[in-house]
Amino acid sequence: DAGITQSPRHKVTETGTPVTLRCHQTENHRYMYWYRQDPGHGLRLIHYSYGVKDTDKGEVSDGYSVSRSKTEDFLLTLESATSSQTSVYFCAISLDRGLEAFFGQGTRLTVV
Amino acid sequence: SQQGEEDPQALSIQEGENATMNCSYKTSINNLQWYRQNSGRGLVHLILIRSNEREKHSGRLRVTLDTSKKSSSLLITASRAADTASYFCALDQTGANNLFFGTGTRLTVIP
Repeated sequence: DAGITQSPRHKVTETGTPVTLRCHQTENHRYMYWYRQDPGHGLRLIHYSYGVKDTDKGEVSDGYSVSRSKTEDFLLTLESATSSQTSVYFCAISLDRGLEAFFGQGTRLTVV
Repeated sequence: SQQGEEDPQALSIQEGENATMNCSYKTSINNLQWYRQNSGRGLVHLILIRSNEREKHSGRLRVTLDTSKKSSSLLITASRAADTASYFCALDQTGANNLFFGTGTRLTVIP
């Protein structure tokens, strides 16, 4: 398995609180992605990174921010959690754009 | 839509039968990939087929790509109960930096 770890694996938080999810890789892959998975929508891209401090928005980026200060870590922050952000969040990495992606185990986030 | 669309949404077969699922898309692609997701787990890459390839094999998997029809199919031969999972196609679109995933086909293989 590719060395990619998400933390936490499960989290319940209250509406309006900030939440940070962490993705850590040991593969030295250039690209890192955050997706959310919801029934009927498949996986939708939130943000991605193509290098340290190089990030860009995906199709569902509103309400989310990211940071990548080191190659191995990519953080996803929900600035003020809402119930619509209840979802399963997946981090993925790839050596370069368009190549095979390796996924983490996912974080199940519930906003109450 | 930038996503691929898988068909059927759900498929139930007996162990030993073949399973075929399809992916249609609307954009120009560099490659198309197939992933498997077991319940509660992350996605696992199965196979990648480039836009200039028509067919690719990997073990019991056979993938075809028809760029003129903008469609791909994934065939799993001699299915096993362990093949029960959701299968997603993912598009590497020309000019994009990420993969676009479809909504998946849920495959159930009955022992």
